[in-house]
Amino acid sequence: GNSVTQMEGPVTLSEEAFLTINCTYTATGYPSLFWYVQYPGEGLQLLLKATKADDKGSNKGFEATYRKETTSFHLEKGSVQVSDSAVYFCALLSGAGSYQLTFGKGTKLSVIP
Amino acid sequence: EAQVTQNPRYLITVTGKKLTVTCSQNMNHEYMSWYRQDPGLGLRQIYYSMNVEVTDKGDVPEGYKVSRKEKRNFPLILESPSPNQTSLYFCASSGQGAPRETQYFGPGTRLLVL
Repeated sequence: GNSVTQMEGPVTLSEEAFLTINCTYTATGYPSLFWYVQYPGEGLQLLLKATKADDKGSNKGFEATYRKETTSFHLEKGSVQVSDSAVYFCALLSGAGSYQLTFGKGTKLSVIP
Repeated sequence: EAQVTQNPRYLITVTGKKLTVTCSQNMNHEYMSWYRQDPGLGLRQIYYSMNVEVTDKGDVPEGYKVSRKEKRNFPLILESPSPNQTSLYFCASSGQGAPRETQYFGPGTRLLVL
């Protein structure tokens, strides 16, 4: 079956530090890959996505590249802000016509001034 | 404003007392889904619906029921809640006007079963 493994947190960084959150996946076929973000007290929001190999998703300074050879989709940001403090979920969508997302366990990021 | 709404946002109940958590979307989406979020486990899908009167089990359906009588609504029913159903629940939708890769989540319902 499908699965997503992401680095365990929590991750604590100082403002303006470089962020990497690792994500690897197992899936049949050619899944679409996502990063969702959950700010405190809120639901999940789509942060970025990539639908085929070598695609780079980007949004709000965050980036992730779909690497089929390493089955990875690592999230990066060059300079984090306090407002980036949230829980980040890696997810995949697999199968033609499927709407069923498979999520990783989430990584909590805290950015301190 | 396009949104997914859930009610109630917070609920405390006792074991065995039936409850319903409502979910409604105003985007005319065909697909709706329920997830539960637990510490260290991430989000796990409970049930999903591809359209009116079409529902199917997700990864953790035991102890839950759903119905889809109208396109906009997808209530989650706990017939006899137990403490292991204490969790944070999210409804999500996708479909018409949005690629299947874009799912919209509600704000969550925090449930405590005593």
